[in-house]
Amino acid sequence: EVQLVESGGGLVQPGRSLRLSCAASGLTFDDYAMHWVRQAPGKGLEWVAGISWNTNIVDYADSVKGRFTISRDNAKNSLFLQMNSLRPEDTALYFCGKGYTAFISGRVDYWGQGTLVTVSS
Amino acid sequence: DIQMTQSPSSLSASVGDRVTITCRASQSISTHLNWYQQRPGKAPKLLIYDASSLQSGVPSTFSGSGSGTDFTLTISSLQPEDFATYYCQQTYRTPITFGQGTRLEIK
Repeated sequence: EVQLVESGGGLVQPGRSLRLSCAASGLTFDDYAMHWVRQAPGKGLEWVAGISWNTNIVDYADSVKGRFTISRDNAKNSLFLQMNSLRPEDTALYFCGKGYTAFISGRVDYWGQGTLVTVSS
Repeated sequence: DIQMTQSPSSLSASVGDRVTITCRASQSISTHLNWYQQRPGKAPKLLIYDASSLQSGVPSTFSGSGSGTDFTLTISSLQPEDFATYYCQQTYRTPITFGQGTRLEIK
């Protein structure tokens, strides 16, 4: 059974940094693209970033480009999101998602339960 | 960026009703359109992919159709567990984008 478990969320001041992690199990991790999707309180889903199976292709939403970095460690079945220069509008529940294929352009077929990031002074 | 617009934003219906949710893309996305269900406090769940293919384990009361810019999600007979929020998503081009969601409520 595929399991994705996010961690690293918390309360952080504007302008500071935070690093999210996602531990994957029950799958051949390096066969698949991975994604981060977020949901602000009471709002809809927003795709944040995606990374291909071999890290060669990464892409970001315009709202986080230049501030967030997605990465993965295939040897440790782990996905990361380094978030710098955080803003109050980055406050959200951050979901880790498994892509159906090795590349970013595809559906997310498994999701974690999310980790909450709150940006506030 | 490709904009995805869902209608209606909310919908009230009864158990046993047939409901349809629409999703329109700002440009043609072929059939690169997926539908997700999200229950309160839970992660999204994939229902339909490539516009009309049913994800494994999803009841056959769910169906999807469309291509190009116009898509629909139909639930043929609402069950109590179907009351949730539904999102469309395009994966034709990055950045991947979602519709704003349709909240399905019990009448």
